[in-house]
Amino acid sequence: DAGVTQSPTHLIKTRGQQVTLRCSPKSGHDTVSWYQQALGQGPQFIFQYYEEEERQRGNFPDRFSGHQFPNYSSELNVNALLLGDSALYLCASTQGVGYTEAFFGQGTRLTVV
Amino acid sequence: GNSVTQMEGPVTLSEEAFLTINCTYTATGYPSLFWYVQYPGEGLQLLLKATKADDKGSNKGFEATYRKETTSFHLEKGSVQVSDSAVYFCALSEGVSGSARQLTFGSGTQLTVLP
Repeated sequence: DAGVTQSPTHLIKTRGQQVTLRCSPKSGHDTVSWYQQALGQGPQFIFQYYEEEERQRGNFPDRFSGHQFPNYSSELNVNALLLGDSALYLCASTQGVGYTEAFFGQGTRLTVV
Repeated sequence: GNSVTQMEGPVTLSEEAFLTINCTYTATGYPSLFWYVQYPGEGLQLLLKATKADDKGSNKGFEATYRKETTSFHLEKGSVQVSDSAVYFCALSEGVSGSARQLTFGSGTQLTVLP
């Protein structure tokens, strides 16, 4: 059973560019959440997708946007990259609404230069 | 808003020592509480959880008890091993009704166990 898979694993972008990160949830899961983990910090919630809609959003600017596809996979897009966007981006999947255990992918390490 | 405060690290212990990592939280309602572990180069793995007051979560020798009166969820292990070296995150979830709950994390505690 494949767990949560993210791609790419590492990425280097230039300030001002745009980036797209991808996530495939664990089999049987239909909800995807994205988190940003800066170096030495805990993950911070960006947003969550369920039924192809953004359901919850954390305190992140509109430069961060996302999408969920009919097969439940998801993309995170960041526009106008800043140096401060350098971080590990984690995807987590759960099944349905309400409390369920969240499974995390290994993350995408984004470096903005 | 919700928040989680963890004891600051790093923590260095000798093998077979007793481990305590303190965690306190602030929440508006009745959150579920978690400990996640992150090994080098990997994502987060759920270590244990507790969903209501006085519940004790346990896994792989680690334990934590949900203390509502002190708003705490301290992680303990009686005898640590070198393989326990990792970063440990305390987290809570408290979501909007009808939506899967988002997680609020502490800043993490780096644990190094020496042989």
